[in-house]
Amino acid sequence: GEDVEQSLFLSVREGDSSVINCTYTDSSSTYLYWYKQEPGAGLQLLTYIFSNMDMKQDQRLTVLLNKKDKHLSLRIADTQTGDSAIYFCAERDRDSSYKLIFGSGTRLLVRP
Amino acid sequence: SAVISQKPSRDICQRGTSLTIQCQVDSQVTMMFWYRQQPGQSLTLIATANQGSEATYESGFVIDKFPISRPNLTFSTLTVSNMSPEDSSIYLCSVGDGGETQYFGPGTRLLVL
Repeated sequence: GEDVEQSLFLSVREGDSSVINCTYTDSSSTYLYWYKQEPGAGLQLLTYIFSNMDMKQDQRLTVLLNKKDKHLSLRIADTQTGDSAIYFCAERDRDSSYKLIFGSGTRLLVRP
Repeated sequence: SAVISQKPSRDICQRGTSLTIQCQVDSQVTMMFWYRQQPGQSLTLIATANQGSEATYESGFVIDKFPISRPNLTFSTLTVSNMSPEDSSIYLCSVGDGGETQYFGPGTRLLVL
């Protein structure tokens, strides 16, 4: 079945760039997503990318998609302490138009 | 994006009891889903709530344990029945408009003692 993998933890200094990586197995995924979960909160949709795109930029966020390697990354420029959260990568299930398969989440810690 | 609310936001329950979680959306949506997030884990889809018909459950989840209602296009409930400590999780409602995006509610944090 489909699988989505992420590294568990990333620590960066405030002002630096953060890069969170994700690999997936389903080559027929149509959409890939990044969600943010702050402590005690639900999931916030940050951005998503269609599978025929290589890159998408939205203010401080840049998503890169390498379909050949099935690799997705989220770059956060000028990382702030408010960016500290868990970031989930998700892909849309190939057999269901709407089911999302989530990775285990990457905990980002931004040090002052 | 839709504004989604869930009630209760958190609860502590005794084993053997049941809890019903409500999800309310501020606009009509095509799709409503229920996910579970076990402590320190990722999200797993429990079921798709279908308006006017029985929910569609994912492998490993059954209607007797997680009955779901969806009486209209803006509201759904999930009941966690005959709870055990293993049911301690965050339960999240999500909605989709039939397009590419899916939005999540704030979640219900459940602790079963």
